[in-house]
Amino acid sequence: DSGVTQTPKHLITATGQRVTLRCSPRSGDLSVYWYQQSLDQGLQFLIHYYNGEERAKGNILERFSAQQFPDLHSELNLSSLELGDSALYFCASSGFSQPTDTQYFGPGTRLTVL
Amino acid sequence: AQSVSQHNHHVILSEAASLELGCNYSYGGTVNLFWYVQYPGQHLQLLLKYFSGDPLVKGIKGFEAEFIKSKFSFNLRKPSVQWSDTAEYFCAVFDNTDKLIFGTGTRLQVFP
Repeated sequence: DSGVTQTPKHLITATGQRVTLRCSPRSGDLSVYWYQQSLDQGLQFLIHYYNGEERAKGNILERFSAQQFPDLHSELNLSSLELGDSALYFCASSGFSQPTDTQYFGPGTRLTVL
Repeated sequence: AQSVSQHNHHVILSEAASLELGCNYSYGGTVNLFWYVQYPGQHLQLLLKYFSGDPLVKGIKGFEAEFIKSKFSFNLRKPSVQWSDTAEYFCAVFDNTDKLIFGTGTRLQVFP
């Protein structure tokens, strides 16, 4: 157990819908990272938050947004969902602001868009 | 843009065989290199990392990796694999763009 929790574990929804994925970092960690893992693209970095502020963006679609709250948990919002958004979404946390810090990954949320 | 290549997509070995998984990256400057592992049904976890110094890095569970700058490589090795090493292995590179770039992963299956 990495100490990072993600909810829900599984999510099945329809195209055009909007979903919210939640991540609670390890106790004391200030950074949260979001990744998308799909069969064809592998593990893709989406976005990094540090202590409530966005630090870096990767290949995140405009239909996707994220935020980190004062209690340091983070949410990833996916809207106007398409079939291609079906993937495993991971969050990771680390103690500091540098992505080179060891990142501790959560168990992931498996999103299926029908 | 930085890219990371793991050419072995699927590797099948018998127990006690030696393992080498390839990882190549494209960035020519200073890089930080990582190997992560994902056991079946579990979360990704760090195996080892290289920042500077001795290019031969030792990680957990008997794994090691060698950084060869001239070849842009960071191959993962283990002299004798066990059934419990069955997992997916990801190489990752950080190149000062504030992003950790992962390879597509190598699935390792070890048969008793």
